[in-house]
Amino acid sequence: DGGITQSPKYLFRKEGQNVTLSCEQNLNHDAMYWYRQDPGQGLRLIYYSQIVNDFQKGDIAEGYSVSREKKESFPLTVTSAQKNPTAFYLCASSIFHELNTEAFFGQGTRLTVV
Amino acid sequence: QQPVQSPQAVILREGEDAVINCSSSKALYSVHWYRQKHGEAPVFLMILLKGGEQKGHDKISASFNEKKQQSSLYLTASQLSYSGTYFCGTEGGSNYKLTFGKGTLLTVNP
Repeated sequence: DGGITQSPKYLFRKEGQNVTLSCEQNLNHDAMYWYRQDPGQGLRLIYYSQIVNDFQKGDIAEGYSVSREKKESFPLTVTSAQKNPTAFYLCASSIFHELNTEAFFGQGTRLTVV
Repeated sequence: QQPVQSPQAVILREGEDAVINCSSSKALYSVHWYRQKHGEAPVFLMILLKGGEQKGHDKISASFNEKKQQSSLYLTASQLSYSGTYFCGTEGGSNYKLTFGKGTLLTVNP
């Protein structure tokens, strides 16, 4: 079955450590997105990518980095520069050449930094 | 910049109607609506496109006023399964940047 997979579901890290969240899709979608969700803040866009080897900053990119070396993969690294990294992270994908199609979301990764 | 949703929360009894609004300060190409249950991924409901074409759910309807840069989601004869947080997402053009609002928490009670 086609879909978008995030791993792990729960992640714990010590403060000051970098951590990478995985996002893989087999939907053959060109566009991929990373969102951060905090209570009362909705879904805030961190980074997005339209094609391989290209990505753009979203609204809250500071302290995060991404890569897009393969069409199906869009990993997110939460660096030690991110001041408040504990949150629920959602990855999504959509067809690039059609604006009028929905985004498909992964099940999310809940990151806790202690 | 996030679109603005209202109300922030609404409580209904089963069978009642609700309207959720979404507005943007920027010109919009399309508006997306999603519903998220607690701890789960958001699920697509509907897209409204500039020019009037609409896709989506047959039990939930929506409108899109391009001039006012606003959209409204209409939930009629609500069911218990409608409970969740509703998000509107907006796209401003060819950059495919999909930005979401803060959400509206809908609770449907028996």
